[in-house]
Amino acid sequence: AQRVTQPEKLLSVFKGAPVELKCNYSYSGSPELFWYVQYSRQRLQLLLRHISRESIKGFTADLNKGETSFHLKKPFAQEEDSAMYYCALSYSNAGNMLTFGGGTRLMVKP
Amino acid sequence: DTGVSQDPRHKITKRGQNVTFRCDPISEHNRLYWYRQTLGQGPEFLTYFQNEAQLEKSRLLSDRFSAERPKGSFSTLEIQRTEQGDSAMYLCASSLAWGAETQYFGPGTRLLVL
Repeated sequence: AQRVTQPEKLLSVFKGAPVELKCNYSYSGSPELFWYVQYSRQRLQLLLRHISRESIKGFTADLNKGETSFHLKKPFAQEEDSAMYYCALSYSNAGNMLTFGGGTRLMVKP
Repeated sequence: DTGVSQDPRHKITKRGQNVTFRCDPISEHNRLYWYRQTLGQGPEFLTYFQNEAQLEKSRLLSDRFSAERPKGSFSTLEIQRTEQGDSAMYLCASSLAWGAETQYFGPGTRLLVL
């Protein structure tokens, strides 16, 4: 069965520091990988997806099939990046249902 | 269209009562998903519809849970004989049905079972 693991429940960094939110997955096929973000008092929203290979709000994520990882990175954290971040995977033969990790709370201190 | 909407936003009920939640997807989206999120966890998939057809329901947590999407537009999620363990945030999402289309989430319905 597919599984997504985010080993850190909380990550606290200072403004301007680099950020890396870890995500590992287990799935034998070729899943789609996503990062969703939830800012305070807002709904869950897509941040980025691996097939787009784009940078959103300065964040990037590279799919490493060998290590089955999809870590989220940003070189210089901003206070407005403080939020809950969820890594998720889906695969097309299951209606693209999302399997989420437990989430990491990112706190960016001034 | 302002996105996926859910009603009610909050529901407090007593153990043993039935509750029903509604989700209105983005109008052109033919896929609709239900997830449950408990405190400190990521969302957990429950079921999904493509148009009016419920294509996956094996993840519904028990036979007390059921969902409908009668006309392929809005959907309802019903929990019968609620238990305290049903207390959670219930999320709805919608998407187009081609490939791994982005799922857009609603604000959720927070259920508290006393």
